[in-house]
Amino acid sequence: DVVMTQSPLSLPVTLGQPASISCRSSASLSSDGNTYLNWFQQRPGQSPRRLIYKVSNRDSGVPDRFSGSGSGTDFTLKISRVEAEDVGVYYCMQGTHWPRTFGQGTKVEI
Amino acid sequence: EEQLVESGGGSVQPGGSLRLSCAASGFNFRSTWMNWVRQTPGSGLEWVALIEEGESRKYYVDSVKGRFTISRDNANNFLFLQMNNLRVDDTAIYYCTRGGGDLWGQGTLVTVSS
Repeated sequence: DVVMTQSPLSLPVTLGQPASISCRSSASLSSDGNTYLNWFQQRPGQSPRRLIYKVSNRDSGVPDRFSGSGSGTDFTLKISRVEAEDVGVYYCMQGTHWPRTFGQGTKVEI
Repeated sequence: EEQLVESGGGSVQPGGSLRLSCAASGFNFRSTWMNWVRQTPGSGLEWVALIEEGESRKYYVDSVKGRFTISRDNANNFLFLQMNNLRVDDTAIYYCTRGGGDLWGQGTLVTVSS
């Protein structure tokens, strides 16, 4: 199975400041000209919500302070200016290989 | 409004069975592949199974192969997960998700304990 490794696992942040989460895969996620790497946010007490698909595409309604980048095996989720509502756990997930696998999650807290 | 609503969770003894359901509404259900994803208490997310639009192909994580079966009713917009021979480590919140994860239900809790 492809192992997804996130860092850090805990991320203390300051309101208004940038934040960044890394995700590395144990195999390349590039396939058929696409790279199937998604980012999810799970706020306390809620179901996960997808923020980013195929590395850098924001889902509808996702604020533009969230951005994704990367290629191959190294990926990053950035929050340009952290807001209070961004508190929660963030997961990367690969959709290229079977089985689909998630990272361990990064807890973002103020 | 696009929505997924899971049901069927509960408490069961090891070796028992449960059938989870997911009611889809507000989108063209028959045209999208669907998944089950689970989350163990205090832990992370694990993808469990996927079914393609026409039920032609199904995929499972190794730990549930031979015990769980994913299926769908495109006429009535339902997704199912039949879980047999349940184990303690199957205890989790089970989410129904659409396609690449752009829509999630609220989850249903499955507890396997003696």
